Amino acid sequence: AQTVTQSQPEMSVQEAETVTLSCTYDTSESDYYLFWYKQPPSRQMILVIRQEAYKQQNATENRFSVNFQKAAKSFSLKISDSQLGDAAMYFCAYRETSGSRLTFGEGTQLTVNP
Amino acid sequence: DTGVSQNPRHKITKRGQNVTFRCDPISEHNRLYWYRQTLGQGPEFLTYFQNEAQLEKSRLLSDRFSAERPKGSFSTLEIQRTEQGDSAMYLCASSLAISVGETQYFGPGTRLLVL
Repeated sequence: AQTVTQSQPEMSVQEAETVTLSCTYDTSESDYYLFWYKQPPSRQMILVIRQEAYKQQNATENRFSVNFQKAAKSFSLKISDSQLGDAAMYFCAYRETSGSRLTFGEGTQLTVNP
Repeated sequence: DTGVSQNPRHKITKRGQNVTFRCDPISEHNRLYWYRQTLGQGPEFLTYFQNEAQLEKSRLLSDRFSAERPKGSFSTLEIQRTEQGDSAMYLCASSLAISVGETQYFGPGTRLLVL
């Protein structure tokens, strides 16, 4: 069974600084998707960024980028120029290409200090 | 596009009562998912539909849980004889199966408290 591990329950960053959130996963599949979702307090989960495993190029979305290391099964999220609105719980998630369900990690609570 | 909506947003019930939650997906999405999220944890998959067909159910979905999507649009999740362990946030998500990456879009959730 696939598992997703986020080893940092909490992280903090100063406003305008850069922070990296870690995620590792375990799978025997060669083709799959990885996601980072953001869940602000009392608000719904929204997609931050998506990575297709067959793509070697790391995905980027404005201030958000990933470091995808397929051989190491690592998928970290880098947030540049952190803003107060980035404060949230961040979840790493995995989905098989042929599958449907998302498998989530335990989450990392990010605090942004002014 | 109004996004995924869920009702009610909060539900408090007594142990042993039945509860029903509703999810309205994004209108053109043909897949609909239910997840459960306990405090401080990531969501866990419960079940999903493609159109009106329920294609997969997790082992987490005990016999007391039933989900329907009768016309391939909205879905309901019913919990019978609720237990305190059912207290959680119930999340609904929808996606378009043929889209690249098939991103799932989440609703705000229904928070259930069983007393």
